[in-house]
Amino acid sequence: EVQLVESGGGLVQPGGSLRVSCAASGFTFSDSAIHWVRQASGKGLEWVGRIASKGNSYATKYPASVKGRFTVSRDDSKNTAYLQMNSLKTEDTAVYFCTRDSSGWGPLDNWGQGTLVTVSS
Amino acid sequence: DIVMTQSPDSLAVSLGERATINCKSSQSILYSSNNENYLAWYQQKPGQPPKLLIYWASTRKSGVPDRFSGSGSGTDFTLTISNVQAEDVAVYYCHQYYDLRTFGQGTKVEIK
Repeated sequence: EVQLVESGGGLVQPGGSLRVSCAASGFTFSDSAIHWVRQASGKGLEWVGRIASKGNSYATKYPASVKGRFTVSRDDSKNTAYLQMNSLKTEDTAVYFCTRDSSGWGPLDNWGQGTLVTVSS
Repeated sequence: DIVMTQSPDSLAVSLGERATINCKSSQSILYSSNNENYLAWYQQKPGQPPKLLIYWASTRKSGVPDRFSGSGSGTDFTLTISNVQAEDVAVYYCHQYYDLRTFGQGTKVEIK
């Protein structure tokens, strides 16, 4: 069974940094791209970044809203992906989901339960 | 960026009736080299992560009931829920994966 488990969320002050993790199991982690999607309370879904598989050179992509502040990385030896968030703003407050794209450039076919990041003073 | 616009924002349907959700992209998401539309639909119930229902605009994910169907091409797409059941109450999102990733704003489906 495919499982994605996020951790590391919490309360951080504006301007601060936080790293959240995504532990994967039940599939060949190294073959899949991993994406991060966030959802503010009562709002819709917003994609915040992707890291490709080793076969696709671990290429990363980000939307303009987080580019330069957020970094997606992975450690295939630990079956874990990371989202490093710097210069956090109050509007970054959201549940952060990690998701799997098993084909490399396809739909997001499995999702974790999410971890809550709150940016507040 | 490709903007995805769903309509309506919400709809109320009687049990057993049909629900139709539309999604329009700001540019074509049909990739000419493989003739595939890079469009997926997700269902999200309260307190849960989204769940993939449909991909490549019309391919149902294994295990998804066949009352869910997707159609459309280019810039205009539709998710149809035939014979709506109580467990279909949720928010539905369209999602393009043609260029980076963007989602529609969501459509809330309720029972009338």
